[in-house]
Amino acid sequence: GEDVEQSLFLSVREGDSSVINCTYTDSSSTYLYWYKQEPGAGLQLLTYIFSNMDMKQDQRLTVLLNKKDKHLSLRIADTQTGDSAIYFCAGRLGGSQGNLIFGKGTKLSVKP
Amino acid sequence: KAGVTQTPRYLIKTRGQQVTLSCSPISGHRSVSWYQQTPGQGLQFLFEYFSETQRNKGNFPGRFSGRQFSNSRSEMNVSTLELGDSALYLCASSLGNREGETQYFGPGTRLLVL
Repeated sequence: GEDVEQSLFLSVREGDSSVINCTYTDSSSTYLYWYKQEPGAGLQLLTYIFSNMDMKQDQRLTVLLNKKDKHLSLRIADTQTGDSAIYFCAGRLGGSQGNLIFGKGTKLSVKP
Repeated sequence: KAGVTQTPRYLIKTRGQQVTLSCSPISGHRSVSWYQQTPGQGLQFLFEYFSETQRNKGNFPGRFSGRQFSNSRSEMNVSTLELGDSALYLCASSLGNREGETQYFGPGTRLLVL
């Protein structure tokens, strides 16, 4: 079945760029998502990308998709202390149908 | 437009009891999915309801059940609670048309089983 892998921790300095990586196994994953979870809160949808795209930019966020390597990354420019959170990569099992499969999440720590 | 709401936000139960959690989706959304989040297992899919019918189901025991009402509100029930059921339970709503189907999550219900 689908598996989504992420590194567990990332630490950066305020003002630097953060890059969070994700790999997935299901090549039929048509939609890939990035969610953010702050302590004690639910999941906030940050952005998503369709599999027919290589890149998507939304203000400080840039998503890169390498379909050949099944690799997805989220770049946060000018990282702020308020960006400290857990970031989840998720793919939709079975393409456009089916439930979301989540990675274990990457905990981003931003040091002032 | 109001977001996804979940009640209650916090709950403490003892082993063997049962619990019912509620989720109200975003207005106009017809699909509600439930997820369990634990430190060890991460986020795991429980089930999805669309138009009052269970459309998709994860690998959880039959103690976990759900339903959806005609107004798209959904409830999740866990019977005979076990310590391992302690978790954050998240629900997510979407339009339900299955193309793209971005899911929007509620704040979750944190369940502690003693």
